[in-house]
Amino acid sequence: NAGVTQTPKFQVLKTGQSMTLQCAQDMNHNSMYWYRQDPGMGLRLIYYSASEGTTDKGEVPNGYNVSRLNKREFSLRLESAAPSQTSVYFCASSEARTGQTEAFFGQGTRLTVV
Amino acid sequence: SQKIEQNSEALNIQEGKTATLTCNYTNYSPAYLQWYRQDPGRGPVFLLLIRENEKEKRKERLKVTFDTTLKQSLFHITASQPADSATYLCALVTNSGYALNFGKGTSLLVTP
Repeated sequence: NAGVTQTPKFQVLKTGQSMTLQCAQDMNHNSMYWYRQDPGMGLRLIYYSASEGTTDKGEVPNGYNVSRLNKREFSLRLESAAPSQTSVYFCASSEARTGQTEAFFGQGTRLTVV
Repeated sequence: SQKIEQNSEALNIQEGKTATLTCNYTNYSPAYLQWYRQDPGRGPVFLLLIRENEKEKRKERLKVTFDTTLKQSLFHITASQPADSATYLCALVTNSGYALNFGKGTSLLVTP
């Protein structure tokens, strides 16, 4: 019953460093999502993948890239981290379009860029 | 622009009372509306989904209403318990229909 698993749970980066946040789901879901959550801003969609092989920008995609590696895995890459990217990042998945079905979230990755 | 508004102020209520949280939206025509619970340091957890043609939905002590004319959803927790203390998020489908847009959430504190 793993659900959605994110790695790492915590990370500190220096400005300009790169890193990849990993996400995997074991529910055979078609759609996967990356959100960031900041105090006072709520959850904001970065990128999503409606199905394997497709990705689309969300509300705040600048500074990020994604890869839908296969049906299970959806990674988020920061090429050159900036302090503004300090946030909590959540990966989520859903069986179909999330409006129609519930979304399952991972436990989050807490990223600090110094 | 599209907006989803939830009360930013925390809601404090006594154990046993009914908690009512509000979600208002503008410039959306959602076919579905969802409510999630989020505890500190954790990811959101799905609670309820309601469709545009449904006025009300219940699950145990939870009740959601959806008024597309008022562009509002109300989320009720009856016989509230301290364990219900958390942040509650309202979510609507984006125009693409493939992802959810979330409100900022309302913090609920239930005191004994």
